[in-house]
Amino acid sequence: GAGVSQSPSNKVTEKGKDVELRCDPISGHTALYWYRQSLGQGLEFLIYFQGNSAPDKSGLPSDRFSAERTGGSVSTLTIQRTQQEDSAVYLCASSPDEASGDEQFFGPGTRLTVL
Amino acid sequence: QKEVEQDPGPLSVPEGAIVSLNCTYSNSAFQYFMWYRQYSRKGPELLMYTYSSGNKEDGRFTAQVDKSSKYISLFIRDSQPSDSATYLCAMSSFSGGYNKLIFGAGTRLAVHP
Repeated sequence: GAGVSQSPSNKVTEKGKDVELRCDPISGHTALYWYRQSLGQGLEFLIYFQGNSAPDKSGLPSDRFSAERTGGSVSTLTIQRTQQEDSAVYLCASSPDEASGDEQFFGPGTRLTVL
Repeated sequence: QKEVEQDPGPLSVPEGAIVSLNCTYSNSAFQYFMWYRQYSRKGPELLMYTYSSGNKEDGRFTAQVDKSSKYISLFIRDSQPSDSATYLCAMSSFSGGYNKLIFGAGTRLAVHP
């Protein structure tokens, strides 16, 4: 079946603009995660969704970052007033439920470049 | 100090070599230990998953966990050019109602013919 998909695959924006990144998880997966991967760094956790609620938002780096999930499926990560340090690959992952959270299936990521 | 430490490499080996990748960690609450493989411009994919101390083998790959030393390893036997990728260790504990994964920085491996 279809895996996790993300769009756009690449996004170039100017400093100060807002961007929206989209994630379509595997159908039926209730848990959804967002991570950020900077050059030479590991995956930095941003936020976890269980259904439409976000029990863990502790990784969001500032109030410029927000995320929502609708219908227990698609999720959008929004970055307002982008800064150059926001440049990174943003990865989305899903898993069947929170108990199997260790087996996360990743999308290909969105490469964000802030000029 | 990071919860999970991993040497970023890069590591370059000839085809057929045995590769050893390692991570150390500080949180004794970690229960699940994983290795993910990430090809260039792709998302990570789960390669190996272990729960307890000891070895787990899958084909040319062996994962080893030593909880007493807080040390995990991934061995690749008879390495192939197709093994060239970044290898990320990850570990989790059940906290806040779910299994939260903490990743190492990843080791970039290049296997040359």
